[in-house]
Amino acid sequence: DAKTTQPNSMESNEEEPVHLPCNHSTISGTDYIHWYRQLPSQGPEYVIHGLTSNVNNRMASLAIAEDRKSSTLILHRATLRDAAVYYCILSTQGGSEKLVFGKGTKLTVNP
Amino acid sequence: GAGVSQSPSNKVTEKGKDVELRCDPISGHTALYWYRQSLGQGLEFLIYFQGNSAPDKSGLPSDRFSAERTGGSVSTLTIQRTQQEDSAVYLCASSWTGSGVNSPLHFGNGTRLTVT
Repeated sequence: DAKTTQPNSMESNEEEPVHLPCNHSTISGTDYIHWYRQLPSQGPEYVIHGLTSNVNNRMASLAIAEDRKSSTLILHRATLRDAAVYYCILSTQGGSEKLVFGKGTKLTVNP
Repeated sequence: GAGVSQSPSNKVTEKGKDVELRCDPISGHTALYWYRQSLGQGLEFLIYFQGNSAPDKSGLPSDRFSAERTGGSVSTLTIQRTQQEDSAVYLCASSWTGSGVNSPLHFGNGTRLTVT
């Protein structure tokens, strides 16, 4: 399975932007980049995904490097409710299907 | 609509007993996953069902673990002769298709299993 590397933890202040990095140097051409987050005592929830182009949705933005070996999840204005573990994972359309989660980045948001 | 439902939400059992954990996926979702999450750890893949295909059991940690998915809907994860190291939160997820591409996984809130 393709692997991703994320920092164990990050801190941010409320109402400031947050940039969560992810390295995936062994990504293949058909791998999609997904981000999920897990709030305390809940199951993970989908945040965003992309292939090559940058993506925006109501929750966040995903910036994908031109060589696709790294990506960044951007929370434009962090709130206390964004404190969670953020997972960056890869999946291949038509491939082995299962999504393998790493340990993610624990984001702390300070008031 | 209703999300993924897991039951029970909490289960305490004695070492050596068998337990069954249930997952009701979102109606119409063809893919179903089981993951395990130990305290402070990431998600560990256990097993994956996709439609009528043979399940991917490559993540099951031992032969004490098994899972079924009846009628392409409800799934049951069974742990026989439970051990203390089985204590964890067991998470179920479903999606329209298998790879999660353009079909995000929807997770339940998990079953917290404690083996005493």
